[in-house]
Amino acid sequence: DTAVSQTPKYLVTQMGNDKSIKCEQNLGHDTMYWYKQDSKKFLKIMFSYNNKELIINETVPNRFSPKSPDKAHLNLHINSLELGDSAVYFCASSLWDSRYGYTFGSGTRLTVV
Amino acid sequence: DQQVKQNSPSLSVQEGRISILNCDYTNSMFDYFLWYKKYPAEGPTFLISISSIKDKNEDGRFTVFLNKSAKHLSLHIVPSQPGDSAVYFCAEHTGNQFYFGTGTSLTVIP
Repeated sequence: DTAVSQTPKYLVTQMGNDKSIKCEQNLGHDTMYWYKQDSKKFLKIMFSYNNKELIINETVPNRFSPKSPDKAHLNLHINSLELGDSAVYFCASSLWDSRYGYTFGSGTRLTVV
Repeated sequence: DQQVKQNSPSLSVQEGRISILNCDYTNSMFDYFLWYKKYPAEGPTFLISISSIKDKNEDGRFTVFLNKSAKHLSLHIVPSQPGDSAVYFCAEHTGNQFYFGTGTSLTVIP
């Protein structure tokens, strides 16, 4: 009965491959996010979607593309994976008024070899 | 440069004592701050927040203090319990974005 679920939990892949990470929330939230946790444990926002519109797009490479088929899903597609993409990626969701914070998924550990 | 800093990467406290986790920020125009708690292999979970117009917010064993003149906030946990052992992130909400600190790993020793 997970509120925000992301799959897979672990992903090991070779450089140059294309991969996707899926995220689904059953909280009725209207905004979803992708965060990247780097090797220094710093959480940086990558994207957020509200009602299918991209509202934040930090300076991430265009190899990363978020795809939201509906309000409950925000998938992250990555083309031509590079070694530096190795990190933990967190999906999150919130109400538009995010005063009470996010609900995070458990993370996807991506390792590019 | 980081907008939100947690300068102590780790903290150890005896069970039953007070844990104090600190966070410094640079932007005076924030909306509110939040604290998150994260267990290994799990996503961060929301703990407590404080708006820019307050200087204290309390929820059970958790109290957050905001010192705007010093651009500093702290999370107090009293009494500390072994289950509190986790990584704690502070996060600033400004406009439409969150800025996270790097986290402080708290270990509560039984």
